[in-house]
Formats: sequence, C-alpha cells, structure tokens
Amino acid sequence: AQSVTQPDIHITVSEGASLELRCNYSYGATPYLFWYVQSPGQGLQLLLKYFSGDTLVQGIKGFEAEFKRSQSSFNLRKPSVHWSDAAEYFCAAQSMEYGNKLVFGAGTILRVKS
Amino acid sequence: GAGVSQTPSNKVTEKGKYVELRCDPISGHTALYWYRQSLGQGPEFLIYFQGTGAADDSGLPNDRFFAVRPEGSVSTLKIQRTERGDSAVYLCASQGGGKSGANVLTFGAGSRLTVL
Repeated sequence: AQSVTQPDIHITVSEGASLELRCNYSYGATPYLFWYVQSPGQGLQLLLKYFSGDTLVQGIKGFEAEFKRSQSSFNLRKPSVHWSDAAEYFCAAQSMEYGNKLVFGAGTILRVKS
Repeated sequence: GAGVSQTPSNKVTEKGKYVELRCDPISGHTALYWYRQSLGQGPEFLIYFQGTGAADDSGLPNDRFFAVRPEGSVSTLKIQRTERGDSAVYLCASQGGGKSGANVLTFGAGSRLTVL
C-alpha cells in the first residue's frame, strides 16, 4: 500500500541555522508530492508542491524541496531558520493510482532555539 | 468564500451522543475531502466528494460515520453514538480546478471534537 514516511518526529535547530526535514514515499509510480505546515491551532498551509519537471522546487517562506527519484525522497530545506518557523511539518503524496486522496506522513515537529 | 470554513471550531459532547460537523468549501471547488487528525499524528483520510457524490469513502472507520454533500457545496460529517476514541480534529479541504489549482487541497482550520 502507498505510504509516506517522515523519520524524524522532532527536530531542534538554532535560529539562523540550516534545516532539512526528511520525507520518503512508497508508491508504484511517482506521486504528486507536497509539504504542508501547521502552526498550533492553525489549519494546514501548503508550502510547496512537486508534480513533474525541475526536481528542485521553491515554495513560500524561503523553503525549497528536492525530489530524488532514486531515493524515493522529497526532503524539505531552508538555508536559515527563523523563530517563526517553529511548527509541525507534514509531507504528503497523491496519486491517481490509489484514487485521488492525499496521504500524509506522521509529521515532524520543528523547534527553534534562540 | 475566501477560504474553507468549518463549524463549530470546538465541540464537546458526551459519549453516545450524535454530532454534526460542517464544512463550507471555497466557492466553485468541486472536490471536497474530510480528514481526521488525532493528537501527535498526521491527518488521516476519511472521505472524498466529487460534486455531490462520495468518490471514495474508504477511510470512514465504521458505520457510525457518515458524510453528505447534497448540493455539491457544503458538506456535513455526521458521527452517531460517539465514542471517546472519536476525539480528534476533523479537517475539511477543498480542491480547485484549472492548471494552477489542480491537485492542491486547501484546508480549513478544523473542528476539534472532544468526547467525554
């Protein structure tokens, strides 16, 4: 069955440091891939998406993600983290192979140290 | 409307009671999804509507859960004989068409259900 794995439950980085959040997917064919962010008490906000083409995608708030087919990965990165980036981040995948439903990973909670 | 609206934002009920949660999607969006998010977990798919019909209800956990979308816009998630394990945040999302909106879900803020 299709699945999305986020290996890190929690990550703590210092403000100004770089960030990488990991995401791996298990699908028959390459799905559409997404990263969402959820702040406490807020809804899910789309950061970026990958459908096809350029494997490095740019998103909002200075985030980017790189699709690597050979590793079945779609890791999220940011060169310099701000305190306001503290939130929970969800990787998600969608494929017509399994209907049209968006499947989420379990999430990674990002803490930012000042 | 400008975004996906969900009501109520919070609902506290007693075990065994009936609950309705409402979702008002973005105007013109034909696809609507319901998800459930338990504490410490990612959102879990429940059901997906394309227009008025349920295109995929494979995520509904049991027959106590039911959802409708009679006019292809507003949707209601209905939970009968609530149990403590139903406590979660219920998220609704709608999906736009066209090249820029295709396959992108916009989520509401959720309805937090607490079953005592």
